[in-house]
Amino acid sequence: DSGVTQTPKHLITATGQRVTLRCSPRSGDLSVYWYQQSLDQGLQFLIQYYNGEERAKGNILERFSAQQFPDLHSELNLSSLELGDSALYFCASSVGSGASTDTQYFGPGTRLTVL
Amino acid sequence: DAKTTQPPSMDCAEGRAANLPCNHSTISGNEYVYWYRQIHSQGPQYIIHGLKNNETNEMASLIITEDRKSSTLILPHATLRDTAVYYCIVRVANRGSTLGRLYFGRGTQLTVWP
Repeated sequence: DSGVTQTPKHLITATGQRVTLRCSPRSGDLSVYWYQQSLDQGLQFLIQYYNGEERAKGNILERFSAQQFPDLHSELNLSSLELGDSALYFCASSVGSGASTDTQYFGPGTRLTVL
Repeated sequence: DAKTTQPPSMDCAEGRAANLPCNHSTISGNEYVYWYRQIHSQGPQYIIHGLKNNETNEMASLIITEDRKSSTLILPHATLRDTAVYYCIVRVANRGSTLGRLYFGRGTQLTVWP
């Protein structure tokens, strides 16, 4: 158990809908990272927040957005869902702002299925 | 960013040492080598990391060559529960918008057989 929690574990929805994925970092961690894993793309970095502020951005679609709240939990919002958004979504957390010695610990993931 | 090359698959007998190689010939002097593994769609699990010295923890050992162009992750006594995809990742140095992200390649599928 990494100490990172994600809810829900599974989510099934229809195209065009909007969903929210939630992540609680390990106690004391200030950074939250979101990754997407689909069958054909592997694990892809989406976005990082550090202490409430966006820190780094990866291959995140405009239909997706994220935020980190004052209690440091984070939410990833996915809207206008398409079939291709079906994937595993992982959250990770780390103590610092993402330096090369700042180890990331991953949650168990949310499996999103868009029908 | 420093790229890594890993064999797509390996197997190992239970109880034996599993040695997983990784090439990172373009690594820079201040870039760390990290290893994670992913057991069947679970969240990636951190294993170990190092800069230039060999490292050991309760899970594994990491051997980095002197020129730092390659490394080997060693699981000293593999068990069936070690069957997973193992990712070797070079962490880029602090640099603008790339800060923090991990680049996962395809990794090595390690299968431990009884």
